[in-house]
Amino acid sequence: AQKITQTQPGMFVQEKEAVTLDCTYDTSDPSYGLFWYKQPSSGEMIFLIYQGSYDQQNATEGRYSLNFQKARKSANLVISASQLGDSAMYFCAMRESVDTDKLIFGTGTRLQVFP
Amino acid sequence: DTGVSQDPRHKITKRGQNVTFRCDPISEHNRLYWYRQTLGQGPEFLTYFQNEAQLEKSRLLSDRFSAERPKGSFSTLEIQRTEQGDSAMYLCASSLKSGRRGWPLGYGYTFGSGTRLTVV
Repeated sequence: AQKITQTQPGMFVQEKEAVTLDCTYDTSDPSYGLFWYKQPSSGEMIFLIYQGSYDQQNATEGRYSLNFQKARKSANLVISASQLGDSAMYFCAMRESVDTDKLIFGTGTRLQVFP
Repeated sequence: DTGVSQDPRHKITKRGQNVTFRCDPISEHNRLYWYRQTLGQGPEFLTYFQNEAQLEKSRLLSDRFSAERPKGSFSTLEIQRTEQGDSAMYLCASSLKSGRRGWPLGYGYTFGSGTRLTVV
């Protein structure tokens, strides 16, 4: 069965520094998609970045980049130049099926950015 | 269109009461999903609709839960005879199903702000 694992319950980073949030996944389907979402205290899930299993290049979106290592089944999120507003929960998720589009989420990592 | 809207934002109810939540998706999105998120966990899939048809339900969705999407627009999630274990954040999301494999779903999968349910 598909599974997402986030092993870092919490991370601290100083403002303006880069931080990497880990995510490993497990699936036997050759076609899949990986997502990262940010969830501030308000509760909304904010889409950050997406990586398709067949994408040749690592995805980037502004300060966010995804370090996709297919052989290791890892999809780590890199946030460059951290800002105080980046403090939130971060969830890695995988599209379970190309037909249903439903997502499987990890347990999340709480990132705290300090001045 | 400002995104996916959920109402109410917060709901406190007594055990045994019925509650109903509403979700208004992005207007051009044909798929609508409900997720439940308990404290310290990631969201878990409950059910989804394509247009007005409910195509899949999770085993997490007990008989006390029912979801509808009349006319393929807004959706409601009703919980009957609430229990304390139902306390959670209920998230709605919508997306556009293009029918093509490899469609960058991340660019259309949008969540609402959620309804936080507390059963006392």
